Amino acid sequence: DGGITQSPKYLFRKEGQNVTLSCEQNLNHDAMYWYRQDPGQGLRLIYYSQIVNDFQKGDIAEGYSVSREKKESFPLTVTSAQKNPTAFYLCASSIFQDRTKTNYGYTFGSGTRLTVV
Amino acid sequence: GQSLEQPSEVTAVEGAIVQINCTYQTSGFYGLSWYQQHDGGAPTFLSYNGLDGLEETGRFSSFLSRSDSYGYLLLQELQMKDSASYFCAVTDTGGFKTIFGAGTRLFVKA
Repeated sequence: DGGITQSPKYLFRKEGQNVTLSCEQNLNHDAMYWYRQDPGQGLRLIYYSQIVNDFQKGDIAEGYSVSREKKESFPLTVTSAQKNPTAFYLCASSIFQDRTKTNYGYTFGSGTRLTVV
Repeated sequence: GQSLEQPSEVTAVEGAIVQINCTYQTSGFYGLSWYQQHDGGAPTFLSYNGLDGLEETGRFSSFLSRSDSYGYLLLQELQMKDSASYFCAVTDTGGFKTIFGAGTRLFVKA
């Protein structure tokens, strides 16, 4: 079955440490996204990528970095510059769809819970 | 700036109908989507409106008025399993970047 796989499910980071969250999809989707969700809040966009080797900053990109070397993969690195990284991180993918036609939305992975210890 | 406004909580009884409103103010607009998220889970896509009017998918319907920058999600024949958070989301011009609202927590009572 096609889908998005995020790993690990839980991650603990020490102060000053960089960590990388994995996101892999086998849906053949062109676009991929990273969102951050804090308790009781909505999703905030960190980075997104429309095609391989290209990505754009979202609303809260500071302290994060990404790469898109393969269509299937969009890893997110949380750097030591991110001062408050404890959150639920969600990866998603989508295809481009005409606004007037049936839209299938984003497919999300099951998320990674990152905690600073 | 960009903002989406939706109520923080809604409570309804099983079998009833509930409407969750969403107003948005964004720099560009491509479409309005709705997602459901159960506690601890990932959001799942429910519905999308790219043009004005009503879209129906089973017990769920979604409406959009672009001139009013307003939409709503209508849930009919509520079931206990519908207790979850519901997010409206606006995709900007270009069809890729999507911004989410803070979510509406729906409690369904027996």
